[in-house]
Amino acid sequence: GQQLNQSPQSMFIQEGEDVSMNCTSSSIFNTWLWYKQDPGEGPVLLIALYKAGELTSNGRLTAQFGITRKDSFLNISASIPSDVGIYFCAGPLNAGNMLTFGGGTRLMVKP
Amino acid sequence: SAVISQKPSRDICQRGTSLTIQCQVDSQVTMMFWYRQQPGQSLTLIATANQGSEATYESGFVIDKFPISRPNLTFSTLTVSNMSPEDSSIYLCSVAGTPKNEETQYFGPGTRLLVL
Repeated sequence: GQQLNQSPQSMFIQEGEDVSMNCTSSSIFNTWLWYKQDPGEGPVLLIALYKAGELTSNGRLTAQFGITRKDSFLNISASIPSDVGIYFCAGPLNAGNMLTFGGGTRLMVKP
Repeated sequence: SAVISQKPSRDICQRGTSLTIQCQVDSQVTMMFWYRQQPGQSLTLIATANQGSEATYESGFVIDKFPISRPNLTFSTLTVSNMSPEDSSIYLCSVAGTPKNEETQYFGPGTRLLVL
């Protein structure tokens, strides 16, 4: 089945640093979603990408939908302690809305 | 976005018992799903909850173990039957097809289950 390979698995950075994480797949996706999960909470949608090559920003977050439709990246600029959490990429399994998730990137920010 | 609530938020259960988790949305939605997130892992889709018909289960999940109901467009339940410690996970309800956004999928806060 379709799989999303997300990297890195974890990052430990200093407050103020920029962060970059990415997802790749052997299959083509028509939608890429980036979620953040805080400890003890459900995933919250950060950015949704619907077009190949699309570059979308949400505050300090920027995400791009790869032109081949097989990859996406998420950047966080000037990280702050509340950025701590697990970031997941996700895409639809097939024509329906069911999502497959990447393995997650655990971000830790040192004040 | 849709506002999704789950009950209970957490529970500790004994082996062999069953637990029913409820998911309530504040607006009618087209699609409702149930996911499992095992400790330290990513999310895995259990099934799609279909209104008025049997849920559609993903490979590795069966109706006898995870019976699902969806009586209307705002509510669904997931039962974890005959539980074992391996069922200890976070169970998440998600929805898609809200009045404002047909494509985006939103998640509830999750139900944390510990089976002893």
